[in-house]
Amino acid sequence: GNSVTQMEGPVTLSEEAFLTINCTYTATGYPSLFWYVQYPGEGLQLLLKATKADDKGSNKGFEATYRKETTSFHLEKGSVQVSDSAVYFCALSAQGGSEKLVFGKGTKLTVNP
Amino acid sequence: EAGVAQSPRYKIIEKRQSVAFWCNPISGHATLYWYQQILGQGPKLLIQFQNNGVVDDSQLPKDRFSAERLKGVDSTLKIQPAKLEDSAVYLCASSLGQVTDTQYFGPGTRLTVL
Repeated sequence: GNSVTQMEGPVTLSEEAFLTINCTYTATGYPSLFWYVQYPGEGLQLLLKATKADDKGSNKGFEATYRKETTSFHLEKGSVQVSDSAVYFCALSAQGGSEKLVFGKGTKLTVNP
Repeated sequence: EAGVAQSPRYKIIEKRQSVAFWCNPISGHATLYWYQQILGQGPKLLIQFQNNGVVDDSQLPKDRFSAERLKGVDSTLKIQPAKLEDSAVYLCASSLGQVTDTQYFGPGTRLTVL
C-alpha cells in the first residue's frame, strides 16, 4: 500500500540555521506530494505541494522538490526563524483512487533564538 | 472565506459511552474527510464523502464508528461505544474534490476516553 516515511524528530535548531526534513514515499503510479504544518494550538495547514515529477513546491521560504527517481520530497529552508517552530507532516495523495491523504508521523521542529 | 468548523473542541467521556462530533465544511466543497490523529502519529483517514455519498470507509471501525453527511453539507461522526484507544484528535477536512486540490482542515476535536 501507499506509505510515507519521514525523519524522526524532534529537531532543534538555532535561528538562521539551515533546515532539512527528509521524506520518502511508497506509492503506485504518480502521487501528488504535500507538506502540511501544524503550529502549536492550531490546525493543519498546507505548506506546499507538488503534483508531478521534478516540480518544486515553495512557500514562506520553504522548498521541496518531487524526485521520482529517489521517491523523495525533502523539505528545506535556508534560514529558519523562531516562528517556524511547529510539527511538519509529509503526505501523499495517490492518483487513480480516492483523494485521501496518507501522512507520515510528523517531525517536531523547535527553533531557538 | 470561513474555514472548516468543528465542534466540540474538547470532549471527555468514560469508556462504553457514546459521543458525536460535528463538522461544517467550506461552502461549495464537495468532498469531506474525517481523519483520526493519535498522539505522536500522522492523521489517518476514517471516511471520505463525495457530496452525500461514501467514497472510502475502508479504515472506519464500523462496529463502533458511524458517519453521515446529510444533504451533502454538514457531517457528523459518532462513536458508540467508545474504547480507551479511541482517545485522539478527530480532524475534519474538505476540498473541492480533485486529487490535486488542497484539503483544508478544521481545528479538530480532542477526545479523551477514561
